[in-house]
Amino acid sequence: GQQLNQSPQSMFIQEGEDVSMNCTSSSIFNTWLWYKQDPGEGPVLLIALYKAGELTSNGRLTAQFGITRKDSFLNISASIPSDVGIYFCAGSGGGADGLTFGKGTHLIIQP
Amino acid sequence: SAVISQKPSRDICQRGTSLTIQCQVDSQVTMMFWYRQQPGQSLTLIATANQGSEATYESGFVIDKFPISRPNLTFSTLTVSNMSPEDSSIYLCSVSGGSYEQYFGPGTRLTVT
Repeated sequence: GQQLNQSPQSMFIQEGEDVSMNCTSSSIFNTWLWYKQDPGEGPVLLIALYKAGELTSNGRLTAQFGITRKDSFLNISASIPSDVGIYFCAGSGGGADGLTFGKGTHLIIQP
Repeated sequence: SAVISQKPSRDICQRGTSLTIQCQVDSQVTMMFWYRQQPGQSLTLIATANQGSEATYESGFVIDKFPISRPNLTFSTLTVSNMSPEDSSIYLCSVSGGSYEQYFGPGTRLTVT
């Protein structure tokens, strides 16, 4: 089946630093999604990407859909304490398809 | 986005028993899905809950172990049958209005002893 490789597995950064994480796939996806999960909660959708090469921003978050449709990255600028959590990439082949998730990036911010 | 609730939020069950998890959405949605998140792991799709027909299961998941119902466009249930400690996980439902975006419920935290 499809697999997503997400890196890094964890990040220890200082407050105010920029963060970058990425996902690569062995298969093509039609949609890339980025989620954040806080402890004890379900994942929350941050950004959805629909077109190869698309660059989308949501506040301090920026994500891009790779031109080959096999990769995506997420950047967080000027990190703040509430950015702590687990970030997941997810790929979809179509609207009726379930999502394939990466293994997650644990973001830890040191004050 | 839709408001999604799950019941129970958590439960501790004995092996060999079954638990039914409910997922309720505050508006009609086209697609509903069920995922499992094992401790410290990522999310894995169990099945797509189809309204008015049998659920579509992913490889490694079977109807006898995870029967699913979807009687209407706002409600679905997932049953974890004949539970063993390996079934201890977070079970999450998600919904989609037909676009590629999926929104998740808060999850049901299941511990099997």
